[in-house]
Amino acid sequence: KQEVTQIPAALSVPEGENLVLNCSFTDSAIYNLQWFRQDPGKGLTSLLLIQSSQREQTSGRLNASLDKSSGRSTLYIAASQPGDSATYLCAVSPTETLNQGGKLIFGQGTELSVKP
Amino acid sequence: DTGVSQDPRHKITKRGQNVTFRCDPISEHNRLYWYRQTLGQGPEFLTYFQNEAQLEKSRLLSDRFSAERPKGSFSTLEIQRTEQGDSAMYLCASSLSRANRGNLGNTIYFGEGSWLTVV
Repeated sequence: KQEVTQIPAALSVPEGENLVLNCSFTDSAIYNLQWFRQDPGKGLTSLLLIQSSQREQTSGRLNASLDKSSGRSTLYIAASQPGDSATYLCAVSPTETLNQGGKLIFGQGTELSVKP
Repeated sequence: DTGVSQDPRHKITKRGQNVTFRCDPISEHNRLYWYRQTLGQGPEFLTYFQNEAQLEKSRLLSDRFSAERPKGSFSTLEIQRTEQGDSAMYLCASSLSRANRGNLGNTIYFGEGSWLTVV
């Protein structure tokens, strides 16, 4: 059974610091891995999607890497800003179902606070 | 493109009552998903549709839960005889799945969620 774990559960950093969020998954049979952002009481916003054949994706100050064989992904945020404060969730799309990527399994999230 | 919209955004109901949530996906998206999220946890998959066909249901979806997408556009999620443990945020999402690639490369877009409190 696929399980996704995110460490740390919460992180507080001063503005301007570079930081890394970690995600691990137990089964390497995945179609892709996605990172999402969730503001309090809101829905999820997709940040980056990495296909199983890819190693990393970049968008602005965000860089996500994927090491499928070891079951790990990291989200790197450069030059953090107070506006980056949110919960960051990673999710994998397992291949064990027939739906070709229709289902996501989420981690519990990392709650990030960037202090001015 | 107005995004995924959900209604109502908040619902307080007494235990034992039935509730229904509606989701309108992004207009050209053929896949629609329902997830449930409790405080401090990531979303849990409930079910998903491709067009009007319900292709997968989680074991979390007990007999009291039913979802429909009758014309392959909007969807409803009904919870019958609500229990306090049903209190959560119910998230809807949609994506565009191309026939020969499944959902391999397509981003999933989430709505703002519908909060349910059962008292």
